[in-house]
Amino acid sequence: AQKVTQAQTEISVVEKEDVTLDCVYETRDTTYYLFWYKQPPSGELVFLIRRNSFDEQNEISGRYSWNFQKSTSSFNFTITASQVVDSAVYFCALSEHYAGGTSYGKLTFGQGTILTVHP
Amino acid sequence: GAVVSQHPSWVICKSGTSVKIECRSLDFQATTMFWYRQFPKQSLMLMATSNEGSKATYEQGVEKDKFLINHASLTLSTLTVTSAHPEDSSFYICSARGPTGELFFGEGSRLTVL
Repeated sequence: AQKVTQAQTEISVVEKEDVTLDCVYETRDTTYYLFWYKQPPSGELVFLIRRNSFDEQNEISGRYSWNFQKSTSSFNFTITASQVVDSAVYFCALSEHYAGGTSYGKLTFGQGTILTVHP
Repeated sequence: GAVVSQHPSWVICKSGTSVKIECRSLDFQATTMFWYRQFPKQSLMLMATSNEGSKATYEQGVEKDKFLINHASLTLSTLTVTSAHPEDSSFYICSARGPTGELFFGEGSRLTVL
């Protein structure tokens, strides 16, 4: 069975601080996808990143960066110079690899991390 | 870009009534859609996989007679909460699998059962 653990329930930082959200996953699949989503108070899920299990390169997108380490089954998310608008719940999620598999898209979500950025 | 739309965004109903929530893919055909449920301050839990033209596949513990899913066309899946009770109050979110594997989420539907 798949499992995603986000050990940090809540994080509070002051604006301009860097913050890292941890994500650890478990899966028996050899190929899989990892995701991060942002959920603001309005409720809709905002897609941040999808990472293929074959691709362990770290990724940077503006103030966001992701560190994927297959050896430790972790896919951590860092926000640099945080801003008040970053306040939201962040979810890490896992899915079976696409490859035509009918199960692709069935996401197992972590418990979520509530990030509050204070001015 | 691709958009998935849910309707209604929020609904309040009386206990014992049935409520239908629609999930539409607006600019692509989605043979597979997924329905999730989210209780306040909790994570999203997959309820079922909706397949166009066939029966939905429900996750363990989800009552298929309670949560009826119909995927009658390539752009529309519906979730009907039958004989709703206060414990069914929740945030329901759908997602659709795009033609090249992207996943698109709807805006969510907040159900309150009085």
